[in-house]
Amino acid sequence: AQSVTQLGSHVSVSEGALVLLRCNYSSSVPPYLFWYVQYPNQGLQLLLKYTTGATLVKGINGFEAEFKKSETSFHLTKPSAHMSDAAEYFCAVSGGFAGGTSYGKLTFGQGTILTVHP
Amino acid sequence: ETGVTQSPTHLIKTRGQQVTLRCSSQSGHNTVSWYQQALGQGPQFIFQYYREEENGRGNFPPRFSGLQFPNYSSELNVNALELDDSALYLCASSFQGADTQYFGPGTRLTVL
Repeated sequence: AQSVTQLGSHVSVSEGALVLLRCNYSSSVPPYLFWYVQYPNQGLQLLLKYTTGATLVKGINGFEAEFKKSETSFHLTKPSAHMSDAAEYFCAVSGGFAGGTSYGKLTFGQGTILTVHP
Repeated sequence: ETGVTQSPTHLIKTRGQQVTLRCSSQSGHNTVSWYQQALGQGPQFIFQYYREEENGRGNFPPRFSGLQFPNYSSELNVNALELDDSALYLCASSFQGADTQYFGPGTRLTVL
């Protein structure tokens, strides 16, 4: 079984400030971890992913995340927020190749709405 | 390269009716997954189709059913609609064995 907890349903930052969105996961198999962004009335766009290898992963639009197995975390960061970053962000986990018949099934967190103030 | 497309964009139905939502996979992708996203929540996995067969299902009742066609496009059918079925329905395509799913823009279903 897998689950995702996103700490903070709303995060507000000033333009230029650090963005930190928190994600903790639970997985009975080695996890594949993802961050997706959703703009209003749109689908989900992949920001970045961790599958194996380097634990610090870089994504689009200056975002990065670090997989910390000991803390079961995959927090998303961006050094300097931009107005265009305002959106809802979802952390997700899958079991990857170990997922069996549920291979590819993504389990999502509840989402974090990021607001960026000028 | 064509991305994932879904139709219709919006749909309004009444309780008890049936609905069919459609999804066209991204070019080259042979696997389709469907998710339900209720307002204010994260998407929830409904089921996945590969080689025209269901390949994994989430915690949804049998009145949620699907099809995948030889061209890898897919349909989601929901019978006996309930008010709680109101949600954004997302389709995602991938290549079986790949680790990333690509999402369409979704179909917003409202049940009155």
